[in-house]
Amino acid sequence: QVQLVQSGAEVKKPGASVKLSCKASGYIFTTNYMHWVRQAPGQGLEWMGVINPSSGSASYSQEFQGRVTMTRDTSTGTVYMELSSLRSEDTAVFYCARACGVDCPHFDYWGQGALVTVSS
Amino acid sequence: QSALTQPASVSGSPGQSITISCTGTSSDVGNYNLVSWYQQHPGKAPKLIIYEVNKRPSGVSNRFSGSKSGNTASLTISGVQAEDEADYYCSSYGGSPTLLFGGGTKLTVL
Repeated sequence: QVQLVQSGAEVKKPGASVKLSCKASGYIFTTNYMHWVRQAPGQGLEWMGVINPSSGSASYSQEFQGRVTMTRDTSTGTVYMELSSLRSEDTAVFYCARACGVDCPHFDYWGQGALVTVSS
Repeated sequence: QSALTQPASVSGSPGQSITISCTGTSSDVGNYNLVSWYQQHPGKAPKLIIYEVNKRPSGVSNRFSGSKSGNTASLTISGVQAEDEADYYCSSYGGSPTLLFGGGTKLTVL
């Protein structure tokens, strides 16, 4: 069965970076794009960007352009999301979400989420 | 591009039907039949309940249905049940590589 297992909670200081992981299993890793979504406490969902696990190419929301980098490791079936220059507003749960296929804009499986707390 | 617009809250009694709207623009909702809806219970990850405007994933109750007219998409839940109490989010493709979400709607079952 398809599973997306994310890394654990992180606490970071303002200005620092955080790198989260999302390990996929139960399907062929390179056949589905992977997205990242941010959800601040009590707030809505916010799309951050997408990575093509086959080629490694990524596209980012303008909101996060310049601060976010998405990468993948095909040998372990893992995608990573690194967010830099953290500020208090980045305190949120970050989800990885599998797209239904290549260049498909809906998400059929989600990770469990990883809470990032940014605090001095 | 701005987020899609949803009502902050809706409510209904068990057995009633409720509809949640999702308003975008001619660049996103109005231009693509690529609207999805997600259900999120507190502390849980979102779950896909509608994709491509009106298609249901396997295992999703047929009480959930979707539609679209112009720049506004809608989610209808027929015969609301207590277990449907959750937050609901719409999303739309906005042209490569943009994906937009609505602000979310809290459904309260009275």
